Amino acid sequence: DTAVSQTPKYLVTQMGNDKSIKCEQNLGHDTMYWYKQDSKKFLKIMFSYNNKELIINETVPNRFSPKSPDKAHLNLHINSLELGDSAVYFCASSQVSHEQFFGPGTRLTVL
Amino acid sequence: KQEVTQIPAALSVPEGENLVLNCSFTDSAIYNLQWFRQDPGKGLTSLLLIQSSQREQTSGRLNASLDKSSGRSTLYIAASQPGDSATYLCAVNGNTDKLIFGTGTRLQVFP
Repeated sequence: DTAVSQTPKYLVTQMGNDKSIKCEQNLGHDTMYWYKQDSKKFLKIMFSYNNKELIINETVPNRFSPKSPDKAHLNLHINSLELGDSAVYFCASSQVSHEQFFGPGTRLTVL
Repeated sequence: KQEVTQIPAALSVPEGENLVLNCSFTDSAIYNLQWFRQDPGKGLTSLLLIQSSQREQTSGRLNASLDKSSGRSTLYIAASQPGDSATYLCAVNGNTDKLIFGTGTRLQVFP
């Protein structure tokens, strides 16, 4: 069984479109995260949710809106996509301040 | 502001060598430190987690140490194998429960 899963794996879209990435974890963790890995392979946190409540919002543009319908799911919706949004987006989960487990990533390409 | 640096950026060694990857961080007020491996085009696999109160952790051929006061961690890989080829990332967790990642060490082990 996959612990942290993301869909889709690849996403290719035009500038200005709106897209969503979904994440699910079956580990029973309370906390979920979104990280972004840029073209230079540098990873940086974007958001974290604890039990459906937003905990961390790292000065990400308002075009990015996370939503957590329940503690096993964390989705990321991106409005008005820009070229600079092209990256790999990783979802992760953990119990608070414990080991974080990452999903396989979603490679977003904005044309 | 926490900054995490990994040295070397890249390493190429023959199979069988023991090797050490270095990670340094600027703020010693950390909760834990986590080592990951990332294969090309893949997600992150958690290797070891060291709590701030611990000095080292071992898993198979991997041993990670932590010296919080000097802001350093090392990942020791014994008897390296071609299958160990990957990028190794260290990440520091402060009391805000977000991982601050280093820039990674790209390891190649050749037969």
